Amino acid sequence: DQQVKQNSPSLSVQEGRISILNCDYTNSMFDYFLWYKKYPAEGPTFLISISSIKDKNEDGRFTVFLNKSAKHLSLHIVPSQPGDSAVYFCAASDSSASKIIFGSGTRLSIRP
Amino acid sequence: NAGVTQTPKFRILKIGQSMTLQCTQDMNHNYMYWYRQDPGMGLKLIYYSVGAGITDKGEVPNGYNVSRSTTEDFPLRLELAAPSQTSVYFCASSLDPGLASTDTQYFGPGTRLTVL
Repeated sequence: DQQVKQNSPSLSVQEGRISILNCDYTNSMFDYFLWYKKYPAEGPTFLISISSIKDKNEDGRFTVFLNKSAKHLSLHIVPSQPGDSAVYFCAASDSSASKIIFGSGTRLSIRP
Repeated sequence: NAGVTQTPKFRILKIGQSMTLQCTQDMNHNYMYWYRQDPGMGLKLIYYSVGAGITDKGEVPNGYNVSRSTTEDFPLRLELAAPSQTSVYFCASSLDPGLASTDTQYFGPGTRLTVL
């Protein structure tokens, strides 16, 4: 039972354009959502997060949008740069738990 | 500033062998986690700990054991290695996985384990 789903295993975007990565969740108890970025042979690194009391959080080129009614969040990267090529994991937790549930990841490739 | 360190980086085991994957963090984090990542899959939680002396099962604990005798160390033990345990293992730590912290988990570089 996948509680956090990333239905697109891969995404290719031209440099300079917008990258949109999507994530769906099923557990209505989740109230905190995160995006992690992972390069090959490295551990994931935290990118950006959003609390369920917000519907948008922005940090430089990265913006996360949360639609609670649809149980959907998305990560927007604009403009996309070659260094953004990586695997992006969506993750979620609820404030009563001590653990985070991860999605299966989306491999983003930025082409010249 | 080491963060989360894991050893070894790579290991090949024969079926039935045992080994311990080491994980150490120097950030004085209470929470520590072990994940495995299979090819094309997300991170699956094996075990976690909310503090020294306290451990709990995650999603996929079978075939593994952990201990947390100190705040810094959280070793993962495989007693009888099986091919199904071939994976990349990540250790992580966090100060507080709840709403208060934005960068909730710091990950180590991973251990690539192959069981033949």
